[in-house]
Amino acid sequence: DTGVSQDPRHKITKRGQNVTFRCDPISEHNRLYWYRQTLGQGPEFLTYFQNEAQLEKSRLLSDRFSAERPKGSFSTLEIQRTEQGDSAMYLCASSLGSAGARTDTQYFGPGTRLTVL
Amino acid sequence: AQSVTQLDSHVSVSEGTPVLLRCNYSSSYSPSLFWYVQHPNKGLQLLLKYTSAATLVKGINGFEAEFKKSETSFHLTKPSAHMSDAAEYFCVVSGTGGFKTIFGAGTRLFVKA
Repeated sequence: DTGVSQDPRHKITKRGQNVTFRCDPISEHNRLYWYRQTLGQGPEFLTYFQNEAQLEKSRLLSDRFSAERPKGSFSTLEIQRTEQGDSAMYLCASSLGSAGARTDTQYFGPGTRLTVL
Repeated sequence: AQSVTQLDSHVSVSEGTPVLLRCNYSSSYSPSLFWYVQHPNKGLQLLLKYTSAATLVKGINGFEAEFKKSETSFHLTKPSAHMSDAAEYFCVVSGTGGFKTIFGAGTRLFVKA
């Protein structure tokens, strides 16, 4: 168990540019989550995958945001036409969910800190 | 709708004294509740979780929390604070109306020598 990893750890970009973040979950975990955390706040749920299917999206996830998990393993989060308000820590978590279980323990990665200039 | 409220944004205690971090929740369903800790520049770490078994839940590093349905509370306690406990603590409600997980705003714990 090597834990959840995220890449890059830090990203600085100019307004209007596109950015993509990667998350590698714990290998046997079938569920993957993305969150956004701004300074002084708790993480806010963005989206959730079970295997490769994106099952839930927050209203926070505007049309500039897209997430994929093509083979049910790693996931990417892309932000197009970044805005200064997108500056935040983007967290990924994974869990091992069983059929019918509503919730399970999520294990978090270290996050990607995005700064939009 | 579901929500979680951490009643204190900051708590300061002296080393060796008890810790109490307060959390109230609102849920239409029987919730699952968690406490996570976040040390500076480190990822979120699970302290403990409640999933409708025993109402008193023991976690890592001497922390425990009690689920009180009548008070809709899930307060985190530790009998004796250690300097290494200084961090941000988040109360989390999940499993209510889907898989969305809702974090509280966090409580920063300061531990004085």
